[in-house]
Amino acid sequence: SQTIHQWPATLVQPVGSPLSLECTVEGTSNPNLYWYRQAAGRGLQLLFYSVGIGQISSEVPQNLSASRPQDRQFILSSKKLLLSDSGFYLCAWTQDTNQPQHFGDGTRLSIL
Amino acid sequence: GQQVMQIPQYQHVQEGEDFTTYCNSSTTLSNIQWYKQRPGGHPVFLIQLVKSGEVKKQKRLTFQFGEAKKNSSLHITATQTTDVGTYFCAGVLMTTDSWGKFQFGAGTQVVVTP
Repeated sequence: SQTIHQWPATLVQPVGSPLSLECTVEGTSNPNLYWYRQAAGRGLQLLFYSVGIGQISSEVPQNLSASRPQDRQFILSSKKLLLSDSGFYLCAWTQDTNQPQHFGDGTRLSIL
Repeated sequence: GQQVMQIPQYQHVQEGEDFTTYCNSSTTLSNIQWYKQRPGGHPVFLIQLVKSGEVKKQKRLTFQFGEAKKNSSLHITATQTTDVGTYFCAGVLMTTDSWGKFQFGAGTQVVVTP
């Protein structure tokens, strides 16, 4: 069966520090991969999505970037975090847009 | 701007009552999915609607997809405390620059009073 792993679960970082969040999927190949951000009590904001290795589509211009170095690995990065980067970051995968999305447990990021 | 709108944003329901949350898109959708997120958790898939006018039921939950494939609704009957959470719709837009991505509504946060 397919599983999605996302880590770390919580992270507290100072303003201006770098960020790396990792997401891996097991049990499937060539999935569509997604990074979302959710502010407290709010909806899901799509940040990046990828339909294949090295193919990244950015939805929101900001100081975040994403990479897909391997088929089932999706990484969210930042060189310098801002206070506004705080939130709940969710990784998700689907086989295609006619299939359900499966979400990881998320990372709660607090910027101090 | 946001292309999938969801109302209401909040819903306070007495246990045993019914309620409905609505999802509206400015463009035609290829399909629409519904998710439930419990407090502190991640969204979990509930159902997918594909066909125009489609209606699906899951126990006390009834999902509808509009004839024009631009709107959808989730109706819950006899609300229980286990229904607490935020319900999201997610549409796949039928535009050439939207291939591969989902557009989420802002969600309806449901609070149930015993």
